[in-house]
Amino acid sequence: KAGVTQTPRYLIKTRGQQVTLSCSPISGHRSVSWYQQTPGQGLQFLFEYFSETQRNKGNFPGRFSGRQFSNSRSEMNVSTLELGDSALYLCASSLGVNRGRTDTQYFGPGTRLTVL
Amino acid sequence: DQQVKQNSPSLSVQEGRISILNCDYTNSMFDYFLWYKKYPAEGPTFLISISSIKDKNEDGRFTVFLNKSAKHLSLHIVPSQPGDSAVYFCAALNNAGNMLTFGGGTRLMVKP
Repeated sequence: KAGVTQTPRYLIKTRGQQVTLSCSPISGHRSVSWYQQTPGQGLQFLFEYFSETQRNKGNFPGRFSGRQFSNSRSEMNVSTLELGDSALYLCASSLGVNRGRTDTQYFGPGTRLTVL
Repeated sequence: DQQVKQNSPSLSVQEGRISILNCDYTNSMFDYFLWYKKYPAEGPTFLISISSIKDKNEDGRFTVFLNKSAKHLSLHIVPSQPGDSAVYFCAALNNAGNMLTFGGGTRLMVKP
């Protein structure tokens, strides 16, 4: 069974630009969550999508948004990029039907975003 | 305010010995805990989990212990192997949703 895939793996952008990252979950998984990893803040939850609807949201500004398609693939968008948005962006997929109890999240390799 | 803390940023252990990684949490609403292992340039890999109704869960060389009254959990790896060298994150869930709250990670180095 293929794992979670993320594209692109690396991305370089300049301040003020916008970026879209993509995540394909494990086949059969309907929940996709996004996390940001930085040296200073660690791993932080951005949002979770389930059946094309945002189900949970972390404490990030509105510049960070996402969506999920009918095939469960998800995209994350960051508008008006700032230097502090440089991070590893990870997505995780899970079945999504048991609200976490035995519903393990499996992570993709991440997209390394550098903002210059 | 960090709700999940791993107070040891690094740990060095000899091959064959026990590795003990610790994690503390403050939020009483957390009721499910997980450990992930992460290699550089890869996403976290799920290792083992434990529900708050248990105090121990074992899977091969990995055992997780939960002390609810102390709001403390630990991961024991026995015996430790060089391939276990990685960053280990503990994470917690509450029954409000599927949002993992992570600790800051502990870098484990297992020396041959």
